[in-house]
Amino acid sequence: AQSVTQLDSHVSVSEGTPVLLRCNYSSSYSPSLFWYVQHPNKGLQLLLKYTSAATLVKGINGFEAEFKKSETSFHLTKPSAHMSDAAEYFCVVSGGFKTIFGAGTRLFVKA
Amino acid sequence: DVKVTQSSRYLVKRTGEKVFLECVQDMDHENMFWYRQDPGLGLRLIYFSYDVKMKEKGDIPEGYSVSREKKERFSLILESASTNQTSMYLCASSLISGLNTGELFFGEGSRLTVL
Repeated sequence: AQSVTQLDSHVSVSEGTPVLLRCNYSSSYSPSLFWYVQHPNKGLQLLLKYTSAATLVKGINGFEAEFKKSETSFHLTKPSAHMSDAAEYFCVVSGGFKTIFGAGTRLFVKA
Repeated sequence: DVKVTQSSRYLVKRTGEKVFLECVQDMDHENMFWYRQDPGLGLRLIYFSYDVKMKEKGDIPEGYSVSREKKERFSLILESASTNQTSMYLCASSLISGLNTGELFFGEGSRLTVL
């Protein structure tokens, strides 16, 4: 069985400050893990993916995520938020012929 | 770039109407998916298809059907629309077989309102 939990439904940061979006997962398999971003009225776009190679994964727009098997976490970070980062972010786990989406975290960026 | 195109961005339908949502991808992907997106619930899989004329139920297939007559096109059908089907519908495609997918490529979504 698989599940994914995004620990915050909303996160608010000031422009130029770090971003942390938290994701925990469970999986009976060696999972693939993804983060997607969705801007208003748009489809989802892949930010980054972990597929059992390096545990620190770098993605687009300065985002990165670290796979921590002992903590079953895959948190998304960015050193300095930009106004254009305001969007909804989805953590996704895939394995054993199932792909499960988290409920999403909405990121607000204040000027 | 992979392009997944959903023909209707916004639709308003009445209860009991038949609704067709069309999706076309241009990258020769085997797998295509229909998801429903509702606030606080993330994305839920309605149906998917791994080949022409093949379809599999996802997690919430009730009230929906699909059609895949050509590799590039995957249609979602609401035989008799109901108000609880008001939602955002997202089509996606991928290259890897089965549900153990690699990257999913999404269309921009079709927002359906059923009155």
